[in-house]
Amino acid sequence: DAGVIQSPRHEVTEMGQEVTLRCKPISGHDYLFWYRQTMMRGLELLIYFNNNVPIDDSGMPEDRFSAKMPNASFSTLKIQPSEPRDSAVYFCASIAGTGYGYTFGSGTRLTVV
Amino acid sequence: GEDVEQSLFLSVREGDSSVINCTYTDSSSTYLYWYKQEPGAGLQLLTYIFSNMDMKQDQRLTVLLNKKDKHLSLRIADTQTGDSAIYFCAEWVDDYKLSFGAGTTVTVRA
Repeated sequence: DAGVIQSPRHEVTEMGQEVTLRCKPISGHDYLFWYRQTMMRGLELLIYFNNNVPIDDSGMPEDRFSAKMPNASFSTLKIQPSEPRDSAVYFCASIAGTGYGYTFGSGTRLTVV
Repeated sequence: GEDVEQSLFLSVREGDSSVINCTYTDSSSTYLYWYKQEPGAGLQLLTYIFSNMDMKQDQRLTVLLNKKDKHLSLRIADTQTGDSAIYFCAEWVDDYKLSFGAGTTVTVRA
């Protein structure tokens, strides 16, 4: 099993540009989570999906952020327009079921200049 | 992770034992976890404990759970330089959500 796969690993973009982060969860995992990690705020849950349906997006900071999961093997997190304060590491994680714990991807380090 | 608290830093000498402490607030948490994050990497699940257990041992790792005090600890025996990382405590809160602590940065010195 290749684990949770995220792309790109690093993204540098200019303020105002659209950014799309991608995630492929582990096959068979029904839940997918998007987290953001910063020094100031630690790990923040942005949104999570169950069977491709968004369940809780209360952590999405603004309307500039959107996430989709068109099928069981792919999810995107989009920021449009991006701002310097969006600079962070964005993690995707998936889970098989109760108690197993999340499996995290390696993250995408986003820098908005 | 406002519901999970950890000390921010721990420095330990190579070969000594490390003890990382965590307190949580949700007494109904059924599972508690320890994750390790190395520089530039994602969080890696180290171990977990079910709430009806007091202790769990896995090679050099020992997890102790005190439900009365809502206190969780991770002991690493014979700490090595490769154990330098950030360690996150997390509790299962509801509906498949985990609440994470801020992380404890462990530095192993020679």
